[in-house]
Amino acid sequence: DVKVTQSSRYLVKRTGEKVFLECVQDMDHENMFWYRQDPGLGLRLIYFSYDVKMKEKGDIPEGYSVSREKKERFSLILESASTNQTSMYLCASTRRGVGNQPQHFGDGTRLSIL
Amino acid sequence: AQSVTQLGSHVSVSEGALVLLRCNYSSSVPPYLFWYVQYPNQGLQLLLKYTSAATLVKGINGFEAEFKKSETSFHLTKPSAHMSDAAEYFCAVSEAAGGTSYGKLTFGQGTILTVHP
Repeated sequence: DVKVTQSSRYLVKRTGEKVFLECVQDMDHENMFWYRQDPGLGLRLIYFSYDVKMKEKGDIPEGYSVSREKKERFSLILESASTNQTSMYLCASTRRGVGNQPQHFGDGTRLSIL
Repeated sequence: AQSVTQLGSHVSVSEGALVLLRCNYSSSVPPYLFWYVQYPNQGLQLLLKYTSAATLVKGINGFEAEFKKSETSFHLTKPSAHMSDAAEYFCAVSEAAGGTSYGKLTFGQGTILTVHP
């Protein structure tokens, strides 16, 4: 079965820290995504990657960066964490296609910045 | 640009009643459409998808959705609600239906379904 694994379910960090969120998929998918989810705002795309070492900004990239050194792994980096980055973060992946492929999601990381 | 509007951030039904969750989309090309469900403290799970075959799409857990081009709608229904259906539901439209795509989706803001005994 399809599996997207996020390294932590819950994470508490302090303002100014550099934070790494890791995501691994076992489906050999080309495309991977990072979203943040906030009540009433739905899912907002932070960054996505369509190949190893390739990345594209999403709708809200400010304060974030990403890394994709291997096809199966996509990391989200908060360069200097701030309290307004407290949120649920979701990773997803999908096969390259014509847009009819569903995204597969991990269970999310609930991040609190104190 | 594509967009999705889910009418009603909260919907409440009684167990056994009809579930209707509304989704309207905006797209300049024939869309691919998806419904996802999110249970508390979990990721999103695919319920069903429309990819230009049948306009009535059946999904998991007894849910179905009907694509209506004239109304630009893709409403989700279930004839009889169960307590286990309580969750948040998201409608999404694909970035580039019919063309090369990175698989990006545009999501609605979600509808929280509450089921009363």
